[in-house]
Amino acid sequence: DVKVTQSSRYLVKRTGEKVFLECVQDMDHENMFWYRQDPGLGLRLIYFSYDVKMKEKGDIPEGYSVSREKKERFSLILESASTNQTSMYLCASSSASDTEAFFGQGTRLTVV
Amino acid sequence: AQSVTQLDSQVPVFEEAPVELRCNYSSSVSVYLFWYVQYPNQGLQLLLKYLSGSTLVKGINGFEAEFNKSQTSFHLRKPSVHISDTAEYFCAVIAASGGYNKLIFGAGTRLAVHP
Repeated sequence: DVKVTQSSRYLVKRTGEKVFLECVQDMDHENMFWYRQDPGLGLRLIYFSYDVKMKEKGDIPEGYSVSREKKERFSLILESASTNQTSMYLCASSSASDTEAFFGQGTRLTVV
Repeated sequence: AQSVTQLDSQVPVFEEAPVELRCNYSSSVSVYLFWYVQYPNQGLQLLLKYLSGSTLVKGINGFEAEFNKSQTSFHLRKPSVHISDTAEYFCAVIAASGGYNKLIFGAGTRLAVHP
């Protein structure tokens, strides 16, 4: 089975801190994605990556950056956390030859 | 631009009753459609997908969906729900962006099954 693992289920950070959310997949997938999930808004795409060291902006990239130094790992970075970034963050991966995306369990981030 | 509209934010239903969760999409090119389910405190899991072929698609846990091109709809149905079907359901479409494909999600429908 495909496994997408997010390093933390719950995080509490202070305003202004630099925050790293880590995601690892074990199926050699080319594509990786970061979404944030908010009630009534569904999932919104922050960034995605189709190859190592490659990134593309999604629909809401402001305040975020990403890093993909290895194929299996895709990191989301909040350079200076703000309270409006309190949310559920979901990582996903997919193969370049398939349409199905596999999701991690999510990280619930609270910025205080 | 491609988008997805889920017409109901919440759907309450009694156990063993039928249910339909509605989804409409807008797309100008080839359409690939999906339904995902999210159980409490978990990530998303694929229920079913339409890529081509038969317009009636069967998925896991007794769910099915029908692709209707003329109405641009992809409604999800189950003839008899269980308490364990209580979850949030997301309709999604693949959108082309700069030569790459990305999943665009609807706002979600929260299904609450009551005994």
